[in-house]
Amino acid sequence: DAGVIQSPRHEVTEMGQEVTLRCKPISGHNSLFWYRQTMMRGLELLIYFNNNVPIDDSGMPEDRFSAKMPNASFSTLKIQPSEPRDSAVYFCASSFSAGDASYEQYFGPGTRLTVT
Amino acid sequence: SQELEQSPQSLIVQEGKNLTINCTSSKTLYGLYWYKQKYGEGLIFLMMLQKGGEEKSHEKITAKLDEKKQQSSLHITASQPSHAGIYLCGADIYRGAGSYQLTFGKGTKLSVIP
Repeated sequence: DAGVIQSPRHEVTEMGQEVTLRCKPISGHNSLFWYRQTMMRGLELLIYFNNNVPIDDSGMPEDRFSAKMPNASFSTLKIQPSEPRDSAVYFCASSFSAGDASYEQYFGPGTRLTVT
Repeated sequence: SQELEQSPQSLIVQEGKNLTINCTSSKTLYGLYWYKQKYGEGLIFLMMLQKGGEEKSHEKITAKLDEKKQQSSLHITASQPSHAGIYLCGADIYRGAGSYQLTFGKGTKLSVIP
C-alpha cells in the first residue's frame, strides 16, 4: 500500500487566496484525521471523520476552515480566505476503528503551507 | 495548559548512550501512542500501550505505561544517529459523553552525536 497520500506537498499562496489540501487515506481505513502542526502549538487535531461523516470538528480554528469527505478514499481541507497565521504543516492521517478500540493512526507526509 | 507534557523538550546525547523521554498527563490515558517524526516528514508509528504497567519493545526502543495510566516513558538503549528525530506521545483522552480524542504532546527533539 502507498500509505496516506497528501497533495500538494508544498503550497505558497498570498493572503486572501483560497487553499485546498487533499488527502487519500489508506484503503480499508474508515477514520480520517486532519492535523495542523506549528512550532508554537505543536500538533493539533482539526477535525476527524468516521465512515465519511464528520465526528468532531471542535478543533477547526474558525469559519474560514472547512473539510469534506465525499467518499471513503478522498478528503479535502479548504481555507478561504487564507491568512499568514495559517502557515503550518497540515497532516492527514487515517486509521481503522471499531467500537471503543484504539488503533494507531498512519500519517501522510504533510502539506507545508506558507501564506504571505 | 498542555494536557500531555513531554520532557525534556530537547535532548543531545553521544552515540551509544541510553536516554529516556517522558510523557505525563493529569488525566487517565486510554491508549498511549509513541510516534517518531523526522524534519519535514510525517509521523511514523512506533508503539501503542493500553494497559497499566504494559511494556513493549522494538529493537532498541522500549516504552512503558505506568500502573495509573498517567505517565509513559520511552527508553532508547545504545542510541545511534538513526534514532535522531522528534518523538511525540499521543493519547486518547476522555472528553465526556462516551467520546475520546487523540491529543499529542509537543514532542522531544533528539539529536545523537556520532
